[in-house]
Amino acid sequence: AQTVTQSQPEMSVQEAETVTLSCTYDTSESNYYLFWYKQPPSRQMILVIRQEAYKQQNATENRFSVNFQKAAKSFSLKISDSQLGDTAMYFCAFMKGDTDKLIFGTGTRLQVFP
Amino acid sequence: DAGITQSPRHKVTETGTPVTLRCHQTENHRYMYWYRQDPGHGLRLIHYSYGVKDTDKGEVSDGYSVSRSKTEDFLLTLESATSSQTSVYFCAISEAGGSGASNGETQYFGPGTRLLVL
Repeated sequence: AQTVTQSQPEMSVQEAETVTLSCTYDTSESNYYLFWYKQPPSRQMILVIRQEAYKQQNATENRFSVNFQKAAKSFSLKISDSQLGDTAMYFCAFMKGDTDKLIFGTGTRLQVFP
Repeated sequence: DAGITQSPRHKVTETGTPVTLRCHQTENHRYMYWYRQDPGHGLRLIHYSYGVKDTDKGEVSDGYSVSRSKTEDFLLTLESATSSQTSVYFCAISEAGGSGASNGETQYFGPGTRLLVL
């Protein structure tokens, strides 16, 4: 079975700085997809970024980028120029290629300080 | 934002009572999902649907049933609520399921329902 591990329960960063959230996963599959979701205090789950495993290029979305290391089964999220609105829980998630089921990590709570 | 609503948004009930949560979408997406979120567990899949009257179990389906009689509505029922089902429940939708293999379609989530079982 696939598992997703987020080893940092909590992190903090000062506004305008850069922070990296870690995610590792365990799978024997070659076709899969990886996601980062953000959950602010409003509780709404918001997609941050999506990565296709067969693409070597790291996905980016504005200030958010990933470091996808397929051999190491690592999928970290880098947030540049952190903003107060980035304060949230961040979940890493895995989807096997022949299913449409997401497997989530336990989340990292990020606090951005002024 | 994807057009997904959940009702009720908050509910308090007693052990042993039936509870039904509703998810409604306006996107005409084929796939719909129910997750629960608990501290220390992230989100876990309860049931999902890949079309009208087509449903399947997820990781934590015991004690839950679902129904989908229309594309836009996906109902989650707790036949006899227990305190262990106190949780936040999320519905999600995606455009998945074109012709078999997944394309890793993004799932879009509703606002959640907070359920307390006393």
